Amino acid sequence: AVQLVESGGGLVQPKESLKISCAASGFTFSNAAMYWVRQAPGKGLEWVARIRTKPNNYATYYADSVKGRFTISRDDSKSMVYLQMDNLKTEDTAMYYCTSGGTTSDYWGQGVMVTVSS
Amino acid sequence: DIQMTQSPSFLSATVGDRVTINCKASQNINKYLNWYQQKLGEAPKRLIYNTNSLQTGIPSRFSGSGSGTDYTLTISSLQPEDVATYFCLQHNSGYTFGAGTKLELK
Repeated sequence: AVQLVESGGGLVQPKESLKISCAASGFTFSNAAMYWVRQAPGKGLEWVARIRTKPNNYATYYADSVKGRFTISRDDSKSMVYLQMDNLKTEDTAMYYCTSGGTTSDYWGQGVMVTVSS
Repeated sequence: DIQMTQSPSFLSATVGDRVTINCKASQNINKYLNWYQQKLGEAPKRLIYNTNSLQTGIPSRFSGSGSGTDYTLTISSLQPEDVATYFCLQHNSGYTFGAGTKLELK
């Protein structure tokens, strides 16, 4: 069965950094684009970042709200995707979901909570 | 950037009702529109991809339609387990979610 398991969330202060991780299994990770989507408490969904596959040069894309502060990366040898979050702001407080899939497949993790507060 | 306007934001309906939820894009998104269901405390789940293709395992009472800038999710006969929040997502240019529709039973 497909699994995406996020980890590394927690409470940090504004301007601090945090790196969250997502461990994938049950599908051919190296062939899959990976995404991070977040959801602030009681709010809607916001796409955060995307990373493509090796044949696509691991191209990365970011929402304007995080560009220059967040970095998505992947390690195909470990079937892991990461989100390095720097200069965190209170408005980055959210549940962060790791997600993947293609035209016919759709996979989501259970999410990891990141709280930015002084 | 493409904006997605979803309506209504809240919907109350009776079991057996036909329910429709709409999303309007700020420009043509060429049918690159997905629909997601999110139950309380759970991750989202994709119901429909590319306007009208039903995700495997999703009941046939869910359907999607639309073109250009206007898209609709229809539940043909509402069931108690359909209580959830529904989101649209355009993936024609970048990715933009609608604000969501909270569906409850009357």
